[in-house]
Amino acid sequence: QQQVKQSPQSLIVQKGGISIINCAYENTAFDYFPWYQQFPGKGPALLIAIRPDVSEKKEGRFTISFNKSAKQFSLHIMDSQPGDSATYFCAAIANFGNEKLTFGTGTRLTIIP
Amino acid sequence: KAGVTQTPRYLIKTRGQQVTLSCSPISGHRSVSWYQQTPGQGLQFLFEYFSETQRNKGNFPGRFSGRQFSNSRSEMNVSTLELGDSALYLCASSLTGTVPHEQYFGPGTRLTVT
Repeated sequence: QQQVKQSPQSLIVQKGGISIINCAYENTAFDYFPWYQQFPGKGPALLIAIRPDVSEKKEGRFTISFNKSAKQFSLHIMDSQPGDSATYFCAAIANFGNEKLTFGTGTRLTIIP
Repeated sequence: KAGVTQTPRYLIKTRGQQVTLSCSPISGHRSVSWYQQTPGQGLQFLFEYFSETQRNKGNFPGRFSGRQFSNSRSEMNVSTLELGDSALYLCASSLTGTVPHEQYFGPGTRLTVT
């Protein structure tokens, strides 16, 4: 059972544009929602994370928007750059003390000049 | 501060053999989790160890096992390898307790089963 649905599967954005990746979850016990960025040949790197008591979190060009009632969250990358080209995974964890990450299926982002 | 390290980085094994992968967490991190990444199934949780105890387990067969040592280093073992075990095996460490859930991944071990 896929508990975190991610879309789109792939995304092409022009340099300087806004990249938007969406995720939806089913398990209301999830209480932590991180995003990971993965480059080829590397492990996923923690990018930004949010808890459900906050509707938005911004770190530099990366923003997470969170809609608890809709059970949806999204990653916005402002002023997208070619160096942002990577695969992005949303994830979720339920309950403090439990480190089991449930991942979305990933979005391959390509930024074109 | 050094990141999560995994050894070996690449491994080729034959079906039926067994393999042991190693993970050294970030200094001070006590939780180590293991994940399997494949193109078809994505990133799937294998198990998590905290203070030498398995705290959580994913839906993988008993051929997949792990352990954690007193210095928080962890190993995972896969016995009787199958072709479908070919994957990138990632470990992640977290501090847990103080800043929960911030997991940091290593570069992975690429296992190929022939």
